[in-house]
Amino acid sequence: EPEVTQTPSHQVTQMGQEVILRCVPISNHLYFYWYRQILGQKVEFLVSFYNNEISEKSEIFDDQFSVERPDGSNFTLKIRSTKLEDSAMYFCASSAEGLSNTEAFFGQGTRLTVV
Amino acid sequence: AQRVTQPEKLLSVFKGAPVELKCNYSYSGSPELFWYVQYSRQRLQLLLRHISRESIKGFTADLNKGETSFHLKKPFAQEEDSAMYYCALLNDYKLSFGAGTTVTVRA
Repeated sequence: EPEVTQTPSHQVTQMGQEVILRCVPISNHLYFYWYRQILGQKVEFLVSFYNNEISEKSEIFDDQFSVERPDGSNFTLKIRSTKLEDSAMYFCASSAEGLSNTEAFFGQGTRLTVV
Repeated sequence: AQRVTQPEKLLSVFKGAPVELKCNYSYSGSPELFWYVQYSRQRLQLLLRHISRESIKGFTADLNKGETSFHLKKPFAQEEDSAMYYCALLNDYKLSFGAGTTVTVRA
């Protein structure tokens, strides 16, 4: 069964460093998402991406964050200058169509620790 | 504001006992609601959505617009149901999640 794959599973980075989280969505999916979950808190929406552009973003997704689909298979989340409060589990998801019509499939997550 | 509330952080039941996970929502339009489950060390996966009206792994959930609720129920809990359960609302093409309920089913 096809799966969303995220790498790395755990990333430790120094405060102020740039970090790139990688995701390989399911191959025929067109909609892509990033969510995050700070330890002990709820899963929060960051951004959705369709047709090579951001379709929606939350207030969390400020200028420090960017997303890219560089080669038609990967979907990346970049945090330009990490802060301690960026430490969280980051989940990538993809869907074949909009979520009214299909299911979102989630990756296993990348645990980001900023020290 | 659109919001999903799961009032119980932890729920512990015995095997074979009924289990009900509460979910309340606030939404100005016609809501689309989901239950997601995360088993230990596994990814979030869709358990059920209200529009499909299916029963998955013995779980059901009924949308009650009067009470703005979408509680998840199973008449006889099994040990393999131990997991984290998230209620979610489709809000402007994105999912808004509740805080989650950790269910432990004891033998």
